[in-house]
Amino acid sequence: AQSVTQLDSQVPVFEEAPVELRCNYSSSVSVYLFWYVQYPNQGLQLLLKYLSGSTLVKGINGFEAEFNKSQTSFHLRKPSVHISDTAEYFCAVRPPDSNQFYFGTGTSLTVIP
Amino acid sequence: GAGVSQSPSNKVTEKGKDVELRCDPISGHTALYWYRQRLGQGLEFLIYFQGNSAPDKSGLPSDRFSAERTGESVSTLTIQRTQQEDSAVYLCASSLEASRAYEQYFGPGTRLTVT
Repeated sequence: AQSVTQLDSQVPVFEEAPVELRCNYSSSVSVYLFWYVQYPNQGLQLLLKYLSGSTLVKGINGFEAEFNKSQTSFHLRKPSVHISDTAEYFCAVRPPDSNQFYFGTGTSLTVIP
Repeated sequence: GAGVSQSPSNKVTEKGKDVELRCDPISGHTALYWYRQRLGQGLEFLIYFQGNSAPDKSGLPSDRFSAERTGESVSTLTIQRTQQEDSAVYLCASSLEASRAYEQYFGPGTRLTVT
């Protein structure tokens, strides 16, 4: 079975500073990769996904992520965060031949004014 | 259009009672997933429905858990003889499997507390 590791459970960052949320997964075979965001008191929504092609993926709200196959990583970045980015962020993987998504434990991003 | 809805939003029950959680997926979505999210943990896959195919039940933690789905509409997750370790947020997601390449749309969840 897959495992997904989000190394940082909490990340505080000042407004307008850059941020990177780390995600590593266990599989050495091809997988589909996702980042979801959960704003306070809301459901999860898709931020971005990698299925194939360019390893740099751009998502909503200025976020991007880079797929690194050799390091089995899919780190999420934003060059300048806003207060409204305060939320829980989840990394997920799905093997192409499986119906199952495997989620990390989440990273709580807090943007400090 | 309407998103995925779940009911109830909160449920408090006594240990040993049965509970039923409901999920209304987005109309036309053929795939439906149930997940469990315990406090401080990631999402744990429970079960997956795809159209009229046999569901993938491999994530159900015990035989106290079961789920049904009628066609491509409403799904119910039933937990029998609830235990305190069943306390969690139960999330439902649906997906238009045919075209949007596995993108899931999540409901707001049902927070279950077993006392």
